[in-house]
Amino acid sequence: QLQLQESGSGLVKPSQTLSLTCAVSGGSISSADHSWSWIRQSPGKGLEWIGYVYHTGSTNYNPSLKSRVTMSVDRSKNHFSLNLSSVTAADTAVYYCARNTVAGYYFDFWGLGTLVTVSS
Amino acid sequence: DIQMTQSPSTLSASVGDRVTITCRASQSISSWLAWYQQKPGKAPKLLIYHASSLESGVPSRFSGSGSGTEFTLTISSLQPEDFATYHCQHYNSYPWTFGQGTKLEIK
Repeated sequence: QLQLQESGSGLVKPSQTLSLTCAVSGGSISSADHSWSWIRQSPGKGLEWIGYVYHTGSTNYNPSLKSRVTMSVDRSKNHFSLNLSSVTAADTAVYYCARNTVAGYYFDFWGLGTLVTVSS
Repeated sequence: DIQMTQSPSTLSASVGDRVTITCRASQSISSWLAWYQQKPGKAPKLLIYHASSLESGVPSRFSGSGSGTEFTLTISSLQPEDFATYHCQHYNSYPWTFGQGTKLEIK
């Protein structure tokens, strides 16, 4: 069974960079049939797709965050990563990693999520 | 961006009830729609994709319908474990967006 597990800094200072990694187990990140996304959910609010990365390293980002987002994949470690720069309090959220199918870009497996708080 | 609007925001119902949640898109998304269930402190779980296809392992009391701009999620007979928040998501074009969620509460 596929499992995804987020890790990274839980507290980030304003203007700094948020960095998270998603470890994939029970499956290969090099699958041609899937891409790998980050999604966030602010306290009491809805879900926001941040972007995805494919095993080749190609990416697609939400335009609302594109200028601050970088995603990458490490096939040797079977994990993918998110960097979000110049964070503010508005970036405080639970961050999820998830798998997309390329047959239709819904999210069929999710990590447990990790809370990131932006505060000085 | 395509805006997804769910109604109602909150729904009170009893075990055994049949309930329907609506999701409307601001423009046509064909059948490129998914539904998720989220319980407090947990990640969303995929229920329905392509508007009406049931994800493997999801009970058959869940069903989805619709195309274009209007979609529904129906639970035919509510079970205690179904009280949760439900989200719709389109994947017609970038950026993919979600509805604001519908909280299903026990009456």
